[in-house]
Amino acid sequence: SQKIEQNSEALNIQEGKTATLTCNYTNYSPAYLQWYRQDPGRGPVFLLLIRENEKEKRKERLKVTFDTTLKQSLFHITASQPADSATYLCALESINDMRFGAGTRLTVKP
Amino acid sequence: DAGVIQSPRHEVTEMGQEVTLRCKPISGHDYLFWYRQTMMRGLELLIYFNNNVPIDDSGMPEDRFSAKMPNASFSTLKIQPSEPRDSAVYFCASRTRDRGIDYGYTFGSGTRLTVV
Repeated sequence: SQKIEQNSEALNIQEGKTATLTCNYTNYSPAYLQWYRQDPGRGPVFLLLIRENEKEKRKERLKVTFDTTLKQSLFHITASQPADSATYLCALESINDMRFGAGTRLTVKP
Repeated sequence: DAGVIQSPRHEVTEMGQEVTLRCKPISGHDYLFWYRQTMMRGLELLIYFNNNVPIDDSGMPEDRFSAKMPNASFSTLKIQPSEPRDSAVYFCASRTRDRGIDYGYTFGSGTRLTVV
């Protein structure tokens, strides 16, 4: 069966460090992989989308890599700030079927 | 644009009652999705529409759930009769057909449903 796993339920890091979140999947061939941020009581907010034929994508302090051989995506936040504290969700999309991982709750301590 | 608008934000109802959740997608978006989020199961896709037509409702848990999209600017998710296990946050999301500009999905703020 299809499975999406995000490496840890929670991640705590110090302000200024780089946060690295992992998303692994099995039995899936996504056309797109997306990352979302979700704050308590709010809906997910789209951050980045990477296609199956792309290796890396950047947006300001965010970087996403996508390895379809390893079936893994890494999501990096450089120079992290307390305002980056939130739950981050990876989502795999194929022909309008988009499924989410359980999320990783990131806490950036000042 | 005001984004995806959902109403109500909170709904508390008694078991057995009918519940209707509403969604207004972003103007010009071709696709509309209904998701449900719980602590146990995370975000689950219930149903999605393309140009107001339901395409895949395989995620709808039971016949008690139904969804409609009478026009491009409005969709409803109905639960009848409601049960305590339906308690969750229900999200509506929409997106454009054009993926060339790397758009993801835009989610509403959700409806928190509590069935007592």
